[in-house]
Amino acid sequence: AQTVTQSQPEMSVQEAETVTLSCTYDTSESNYYLFWYKQPPSRQMILVIRQEAYKQQNATENRFSVNFQKAAKSFSLKISDSQLGDTAMYFCAFKNNAGNMLTFGGGTRLMVKP
Amino acid sequence: NAGVTQTPKFQVLKTGQSMTLQCAQDMNHNSMYWYRQDPGMGLRLIYYSASEGTTDKGEVPNGYNVSRLNKREFSLRLESAAPSQTSVYFCASSEAGTSPYEQYFGPGTRLTVT
Repeated sequence: AQTVTQSQPEMSVQEAETVTLSCTYDTSESNYYLFWYKQPPSRQMILVIRQEAYKQQNATENRFSVNFQKAAKSFSLKISDSQLGDTAMYFCAFKNNAGNMLTFGGGTRLMVKP
Repeated sequence: NAGVTQTPKFQVLKTGQSMTLQCAQDMNHNSMYWYRQDPGMGLRLIYYSASEGTTDKGEVPNGYNVSRLNKREFSLRLESAAPSQTSVYFCASSEAGTSPYEQYFGPGTRLTVT
């Protein structure tokens, strides 16, 4: 079974600065998918960014980018120019190639301070 | 296009009572899921339905039953609620085999069992 670990329960960053959230996972598969979801106080789960393991290029979505290190089984999220609206819980998730189920990490609570 | 909808948004039950959480999606997705989210933990899969007419257990199925009523609707039933089932429940849907893959989440139901 796959496991996903987020080692930072809470983090804070000043507005306009950059912050990196960590995620490691364990799998014996070679092809899979990784995701970062944002959960603001409204509770809605919002997909931030996704990465397919067979793609070597790191995914980027505007101010959000990932550092995908396949050999190290590491998938960190970098948020540049942090905004107050980025305050939320962030979850890392894993999906294997064959199925459709997601395995989530325990989450990191990010606070962006003015 | 409402996406994934859940009812109710909040519910308080006494121990031993039963209730059904309703979920519907209007994206014509084949696969649907039920997760629970407890404090300090990520989402954990309770049950899923890969397609209409099929259901399978996830990571934490004990104390729950599900029904895939049709392609749109997937309900979660608690037959005899226990305080350990106090949680936030999320329904999600996805289309199998799509790229890029994404699960779409409902707004969640906060359930308290006293």
